[in-house]
Amino acid sequence: KNEVEQSPQNLTAQEGEFITINCSYSVGISALHWLQQHPGGGIVSLFMLSSGKKKHGRLIATINIQEKHSSLHITASHPRDSAVYICAVDYGGSQGNLIFGKGTKLSVKP
Amino acid sequence: DAGITQSPRHKVTETGTPVTLRCHQTENHRYMYWYRQDPGHGLRLIHYSYGVKDTDKGEVSDGYSVSRSKTEDFLLTLESATSSQTSVYFCAIRRQIEETQYFGPGTRLLVL
Repeated sequence: KNEVEQSPQNLTAQEGEFITINCSYSVGISALHWLQQHPGGGIVSLFMLSSGKKKHGRLIATINIQEKHSSLHITASHPRDSAVYICAVDYGGSQGNLIFGKGTKLSVKP
Repeated sequence: DAGITQSPRHKVTETGTPVTLRCHQTENHRYMYWYRQDPGHGLRLIHYSYGVKDTDKGEVSDGYSVSRSKTEDFLLTLESATSSQTSVYFCAIRRQIEETQYFGPGTRLLVL
């Protein structure tokens, strides 16, 4: 079964800390997505990666295809970063179907 | 914002009643998806569509049917709702060029 594992499940940080959320998957993929879900429910796509690294503001996403692993980093964390971060992988079917991890709940304290 | 709306946003219904959820998009995307989100699980695919009248099952399709008679609308029907279908339902579209999915605001369904 194709699985996506995220760690940690829950993460509490102090404002300003550097945060890392990890995602691992079991077989080769065509792309990996990071999404953000704030309390109240809306889901927003942050990054899509097939190799290397992408940066947007204080968010950095990296992927290591050989190790089947991706990380999402948040620099200088802020309480507004508190959300659930979800990793999802595309195993390459033409339909673009994604397999999702269970999410990492991040809480950043002021 | 990918112009996706869902209706209703909240619904309470009784076991055994039929329920239809609507997803509407304004950008004419070919691919549309219905997911459910439950505590302890990631988002799980119920059904998806790759064009008008073209649909297929996802991971958790039992008890659900879908229809897509127009590009802009993708309907999810629970023929006879059960308490196990209490969930938050998300619709999504895929922008072909970006290959990224964009999600609607979700529908909270409570089946009593």
